[in-house]
Amino acid sequence: DTGVSQDPRHKITKRGQNVTFRCDPISEHNRLYWYRQTLGQGPEFLTYFQNEAQLEKSRLLSDRFSAERPKGSFSTLEIQRTEQGDSAMYLCASSPGQGGTDTQYFGPGTRLTVL
Amino acid sequence: DAKTTQPPSMDCAEGRAANLPCNHSTISGNEYVYWYRQIHSQGPQYIIHGLKNNETNEMASLIITEDRKSSTLILPHATLRDTAVYYCIVRAPGPWAGNNRKLIWGLGTSLAVNP
Repeated sequence: DTGVSQDPRHKITKRGQNVTFRCDPISEHNRLYWYRQTLGQGPEFLTYFQNEAQLEKSRLLSDRFSAERPKGSFSTLEIQRTEQGDSAMYLCASSPGQGGTDTQYFGPGTRLTVL
Repeated sequence: DAKTTQPPSMDCAEGRAANLPCNHSTISGNEYVYWYRQIHSQGPQYIIHGLKNNETNEMASLIITEDRKSSTLILPHATLRDTAVYYCIVRAPGPWAGNNRKLIWGLGTSLAVNP
């Protein structure tokens, strides 16, 4: 069990550019979540997947944001035409998705800075 | 909105017990209490969760009042590495609780462990 991993850990981009982040969940975890966290705030839910199906999206996920989990394993989060307000830590979590209390485990996050 | 309230900050001397309170007066009968912590610039780390019985693991103890309206996370011998923001979250269990999969975070308690 290597834990949830995210890549890259840091990303600096210019306003208007597109960025893509990757998340690799804990092996055999069926559920995968994306959250966003700005400075001084708790994480905010963006979206989650059950296997490859995207089951819920927050209103925070504007049409510039898209998330995929094509084979039910890793996931990508893409932001198109980045804005300075997109600067935040993007967190990925995974959970078993079956039985128990379905505890979510988090990765280290990707810190995005939009100049 | 978060369903919990926590003091914004606390201090604790190294080696002493840190007792972090959480109020969740509107908790439902099937909702668990989860605790996570977040060390600066890292992803949240799962600590412990419970329903109504007190729980203990290698990291901490969780004491839930009989009426379940509040709880206390106890770090028995705080170290400098326990300095972090601690989040208390209530959430329905398992993968079958409808679409309520997301964790709703408040601002947490910033714990400073002092030498």
